[in-house]
Amino acid sequence: DAGVIQSPRHEVTEMGQEVTLRCKPISGHNSLFWYRQTMMRGLELLIYFNNNVPIDDSGMPEDRFSAKMPNASFSTLKIQPSEPRDSAVYFCASSLVSPLYEQYFGPGTRLTVT
Amino acid sequence: EDKVVQSPLSLVVHEGDTVTLNCSYEVTNFRSLLWYKQEKKAPTFLFMLTSSGIEKKSGRLSSILDKKELFSILNITATQTGDSAIYLCAVTQGGSEKLVFGKGTKLTVNP
Repeated sequence: DAGVIQSPRHEVTEMGQEVTLRCKPISGHNSLFWYRQTMMRGLELLIYFNNNVPIDDSGMPEDRFSAKMPNASFSTLKIQPSEPRDSAVYFCASSLVSPLYEQYFGPGTRLTVT
Repeated sequence: EDKVVQSPLSLVVHEGDTVTLNCSYEVTNFRSLLWYKQEKKAPTFLFMLTSSGIEKKSGRLSSILDKKELFSILNITATQTGDSAIYLCAVTQGGSEKLVFGKGTKLTVNP
């Protein structure tokens, strides 16, 4: 299995630009999670989906962030407009709901907003 | 507010030492506690604990949960340089798949 796939691996953009991060979960997994990791705040859950439906988006920082999961094999996290404080590593993870809740993480996207 | 606190924040040891990493939590409707290891890239799963007093073991790593005192420890015996990483603790709550992570403990094992 290829594991969770994320693209791009690195993104450098200017403040105000739109950024789209992509994720392909492990085949057969029915839950997908978006996290953000920074030195100051650690690893924080932004949003998660179960069977393509958003379940908990309480971690999405503000309206500039949006996430979609149009089908079981693809999800996007969009930031529009981007700001320097959005600079972080963004991880996507997937899991099977039952019986375990182990989440498998992708390699992450390192986003730098200048 | 739900929170997970790990200690120490960082630790430097020599190869062969034994280390104990701590994780305490305050969450409503606790269901499970998970340990992850993060090297340069993504966190990788180590253990999931749901019951008090039952030790989980994998090679030189072991972990135990105390649901009464609301904490867990992760032990690593005979440390090796390859154990150098950030160790993350996370908890889940009933009715949700959300993981609430601590800030992690950065372990450095010197030769």
